[in-house]
Amino acid sequence: AQKITQTQPGMFVQEKEAVTLDCTYDTSDQSYGLFWYKQPSSGEMIFLIYQGSYDEQNATEGRYSLNFQKARKSANLVISASQLGDSAMYFCAMRANYGQNFVFGPGTRLSVLP
Amino acid sequence: DTGVSQDPRHKITKRGQNVTFRCDPISEHNRLYWYRQTLGQGPEFLTYFQNEAQLEKSRLLSDRFSAERPKGSFSTLEIQRTEQGDSAMYLCASDTSGNTIYFGEGSWLTVV
Repeated sequence: AQKITQTQPGMFVQEKEAVTLDCTYDTSDQSYGLFWYKQPSSGEMIFLIYQGSYDEQNATEGRYSLNFQKARKSANLVISASQLGDSAMYFCAMRANYGQNFVFGPGTRLSVLP
Repeated sequence: DTGVSQDPRHKITKRGQNVTFRCDPISEHNRLYWYRQTLGQGPEFLTYFQNEAQLEKSRLLSDRFSAERPKGSFSTLEIQRTEQGDSAMYLCASDTSGNTIYFGEGSWLTVV
């Protein structure tokens, strides 16, 4: 079975600073993908970044980067230069490459302070 | 807009009534998913379609829940004899063979 753990229910960051949101996962699959989604108060789940288990480089998408440490089974999201619009819930998720079901963590609520 | 669309966005219903939600996926996506999300939790998988075939169902999907995708395009999720515990947001998502799935804005259900 797959499991995602996000140990930070809430995080605060000052505008323009960087913030790291933690994610650890558990799986017996060898081939899988890790994802981060942002969910503003409107409810829509917005895809941010993807990391494949065999990718040697950490994924980056604009201000988002994923700090992937396979041996530790961690996939932390780093947001650089935080903006007020980054305030939202952030979910880490994973999917086995031969499966269809996404498993989500409980989420971290990020608040960006002016 | 060519994203995943869901209807209605909000539904308030009395306990015991039936409700139906509709999802229109991104047009070229052959895979469609339903998730349920309660306050303060991450989305939980309910069911998955590839084209019109329902290939996987979660144990969360009790016999009061039924999902269809009759022509492999839009999908409906029906909840019969609603209970207060059914109050949640129901998220639809779709994808093809890519690395991520795209979500709709969700349908909020409140059972009173």
